[in-house]
Amino acid sequence: GQQVMQIPQYQHVQEGEDFTTYCNSSTTLSNIQWYKQRPGGHPVFLIQLVKSGEVKKQKRLTFQFGEAKKNSSLHITATQTTDVGTYFCAGRSNDYKLSFGAGTTVTVRA
Amino acid sequence: DGGITQSPKYLFRKEGQNVTLSCEQNLNHDAMYWYRQDPGQGLRLIYYSQIVNDFQKGDIAEGYSVSREKKESFPLTVTSAQKNPTAFYLCASSIDGGRTEAFFGQGTRLTVV
Repeated sequence: GQQVMQIPQYQHVQEGEDFTTYCNSSTTLSNIQWYKQRPGGHPVFLIQLVKSGEVKKQKRLTFQFGEAKKNSSLHITATQTTDVGTYFCAGRSNDYKLSFGAGTTVTVRA
Repeated sequence: DGGITQSPKYLFRKEGQNVTLSCEQNLNHDAMYWYRQDPGQGLRLIYYSQIVNDFQKGDIAEGYSVSREKKESFPLTVTSAQKNPTAFYLCASSIDGGRTEAFFGQGTRLTVV
């Protein structure tokens, strides 16, 4: 079945630095979604990518969908303490099953 | 206010007892999902439902059961057959089965003692 894998599991970042988290699927995806979960909270939708090679930006966050629609990345520039949390990617294949990766938990050193 | 509500927030049960977690949404969404979250393992899909009276097993359905008798409700029963039920359970819904964003409830933290 469809599996979505995410690396790294943990990312410790100095405030002001950049980092990237990666998401890979074992199957071709119809779309890829990214969510953020703050400590003690629930996942909140950030963005969705649908087209092959698509790139979208939200302020300091850049999301990319691979050409083969099997991988995605989230790049954060100039990390701030507000970026703390766990970032999940979620993929949907041919049906309505929405599978999540294991997440990347981000901590920030001030 | 529109949203998705899970209750209770915290739940304690004795080993061997079945327990039902509530999930209600007033967003008029067709699709609903149950996920289990354990530290370091992300969100694992238990069951999902596209329409009333229809649901599918996810990746870790053993020891769980669901029903979808109403569009707005998707309760999850954790049975005594679930070997390690202590976890954080999240319910989600989306208007069209993952084609657009999913909305999550606040979650229920189940502890079995």
